[in-house]
Amino acid sequence: QVQVVQSGAEVKKPGASVKVSCKASGYTFTSYYIHWVRQAPGQGLEWMGIINPSDGSTTYAEKFQGRVTMTRDTSTSTVYMELSSLRSEDTAVYYCARRGADSSAFEYWGQGTLVTVSA
Amino acid sequence: DIVMTQSPDSLAVSLGERATINCKSSQSVLYSSNNKNYLAWYQQTPGQPPKLLIYWASTRASGVPDRFSGSGSGTDFTLTISSLQAEDVAVYYCQQYYTTLQTFGQGTKVEIK
Repeated sequence: QVQVVQSGAEVKKPGASVKVSCKASGYTFTSYYIHWVRQAPGQGLEWMGIINPSDGSTTYAEKFQGRVTMTRDTSTSTVYMELSSLRSEDTAVYYCARRGADSSAFEYWGQGTLVTVSA
Repeated sequence: DIVMTQSPDSLAVSLGERATINCKSSQSVLYSSNNKNYLAWYQQTPGQPPKLLIYWASTRASGVPDRFSGSGSGTDFTLTISSLQAEDVAVYYCQQYYTTLQTFGQGTKVEIK
């Protein structure tokens, strides 16, 4: 069965970087794009970007351009999201997500990774 | 960017009664070449990732109870819970996947009256 499993919670200081992983299993890794979505405490869902695991091409939301980097490792079926120059407003749960077979809606979600930015 | 606006922000419904959530997009998410609306609905309970309920505006995802239904086209959409159950207490989000930069509504919190 399709699974996407994320790395554990992180605590970072302002100005630092964080790298979150998302390991996929149960399907052909290179056949489906992976999206990243974040959710600040008590807030809604915010789309951050997308990576094509086949060739590593990416598209980022303008808000995160210059601060976010999404990469993949096909040997381990893992996608990474690195966010730099962290500030307190980046405190959030970060999710990776994959579409279903029938549409581009997000049928499969990671469990979420809490990133806390605090001095 | 396509802006998704949900209404209301919250609602309280008695058990067994109908709950209706609206979602409006700032531009049409109907793709004319296939006549599909690129609109999904999700349910999120505390501490959990969102769960896909509806895609293509009206197609229920696998395993979703038939009390959940989606309707609408173009820019105006509705999620209906025909008979609210206790386990339906959650926040519901609409999402457009018409553009690569996908956007979500702000969420609607559904509670029991």
